[in-house]
Amino acid sequence: DARVTQTPRDKVTEMGQEVTMRCQPILGHNTVFWYRQTMMQGLELLAYFRNRAPLDDSGMPKDRFSAEMPDATLATLKIQPSEPRDSAVYFCASGTGTVTDTQYFGPGTRLTVL
Amino acid sequence: RKEVEQDPGPFNVPEGATVAFNCTYSNSASQSFFWYRQDCRKEPKLLMSVYSSGNEDGRFTAQLNRASQYISLLIRDSKLSDSATYLCVVNRGYSTLTFGKGTMLLVSP
Repeated sequence: DARVTQTPRDKVTEMGQEVTMRCQPILGHNTVFWYRQTMMQGLELLAYFRNRAPLDDSGMPKDRFSAEMPDATLATLKIQPSEPRDSAVYFCASGTGTVTDTQYFGPGTRLTVL
Repeated sequence: RKEVEQDPGPFNVPEGATVAFNCTYSNSASQSFFWYRQDCRKEPKLLMSVYSSGNEDGRFTAQLNRASQYISLLIRDSKLSDSATYLCVVNRGYSTLTFGKGTMLLVSP
């Protein structure tokens, strides 16, 4: 049963620290998405990749967030420096990139910035 | 106007009840539509796709009205296990999905 994996599952850090979240998409999927979920905003798309190339990161605060896909099996989302307002659940999802695509979500990283 | 709007609920219903959720979307060029389900502290999972002709999957029926830009989900014979948040989702092109904030359903014994 193929699934998206994410690490860490939970992260508590102090303001100003660097946070790196990792995602392993489902093998064979060519699109990878990063979302952030908060009670106030719901699920927001931060960035996405197709065939490892970044296609859209307009949802991401550019000054502190960066997303990369160093290879087909790993996507990373980095926050530096972290702020309390970054506290949220960060989901990675992968899919096959068609217009009727189903996105498969990982279990999420619950980030708390103190 | 938000891209995808849903009533946040919660909808409190007894077991066996029929409940319907509605959703409106603003982008008339949207190409595909879905309902996802999210359990508490879990990731969203696809419940079903929504087609113009309407589609049914067991106790779940989804409808799409493109003219009114309106999507619905009907759940018949509600079970305790149906308690979750239901997310209305619209594909706005290039595989990117826009999620509504969800409607919470609580099914009680």
